[in-house]
Amino acid sequence: EAGVVQSPRYKIIEKKQPVAFWCNPISGHNTLYWYRQNLGQGPELLIRYENEEAVDDSQLPKDRFSAERLKGVDSTLKIQPAELGDSAVYLCASSPYFGRNYEQYFGPGTRLTVT
Amino acid sequence: AQKITQTQPGMFVQEKEAVTLDCTYDTSDPSYGLFWYKQPSSGEMIFLIYQGSYDQQNATEGRYSLNFQKARKSANLVISASQLGDSAMYFCAMRGVHDNYGQNFVFGPGTRLSVLP
Repeated sequence: EAGVVQSPRYKIIEKKQPVAFWCNPISGHNTLYWYRQNLGQGPELLIRYENEEAVDDSQLPKDRFSAERLKGVDSTLKIQPAELGDSAVYLCASSPYFGRNYEQYFGPGTRLTVT
Repeated sequence: AQKITQTQPGMFVQEKEAVTLDCTYDTSDPSYGLFWYKQPSSGEMIFLIYQGSYDQQNATEGRYSLNFQKARKSANLVISASQLGDSAMYFCAMRGVHDNYGQNFVFGPGTRLSVLP
C-alpha cells in the first residue's frame, strides 16, 4: 500500500513569492491534516479535512494561506505571498475515520526555505 | 485546551540500555488517545505506540512500552535495549474529542534521543 505522497520535497523561494504544496493521502483515508513544523519543534496543525470539508482551520493564517481538497482526495496548501517566517517543514498526514486508533500516517514533508 | 509537555529537550543513553522519555498532558476530555512518534533526521514521522484513555493495560509494541499513569496525566515512553538506530526526535501526541469528528491532535515539543555506542 502506498503511503502519503507529498511534493515537492524541497522548495526555495524569495519572500513575497507564491508557493504551493501538494498531498495525496493513503487511499480510503477520509481525514487529511496539514501541519507546519518549525525547526526543533513539534508539528502544529494548520487545517484538518474530513472528506472535502475543512472542519478545523482555526490555526491557518487566512490572510496568506489557503487550502483545498477537491473531491475529498488530493489536497493543496498555498501560501501567497510567502514571508521569511514561513520557512518550515510542511507535513501532510491522513487517517481513516473508522481506524482502530485514528492513527495518523505522515508524508515525508516539504521543506520550504524563504529567502 | 489540550497541552502536551515534554520536559527533556535531549537525552543520552548507552547502547543496549533502557531509556524513559517523559510526557505529561493536560485535557478535560474524558476520552482521549496518546501516541508516540519517532522522527529520524530524514524527517519522516513514524508511529510507535498508542494508549487509549480507557485502556486497562499499558501498551507495548516490541521494544517500546508506554507507562501510562492516568491520575498523574503522564504517558512516558520506555525503550528497552536501545539501538544506534533509535537516535531521533521523539514526539508525544494526544488526540481528543473536540468536535463531532473528534480527531484533532496536539503534539509536544519533542525529545532528542542520542544513543551512544
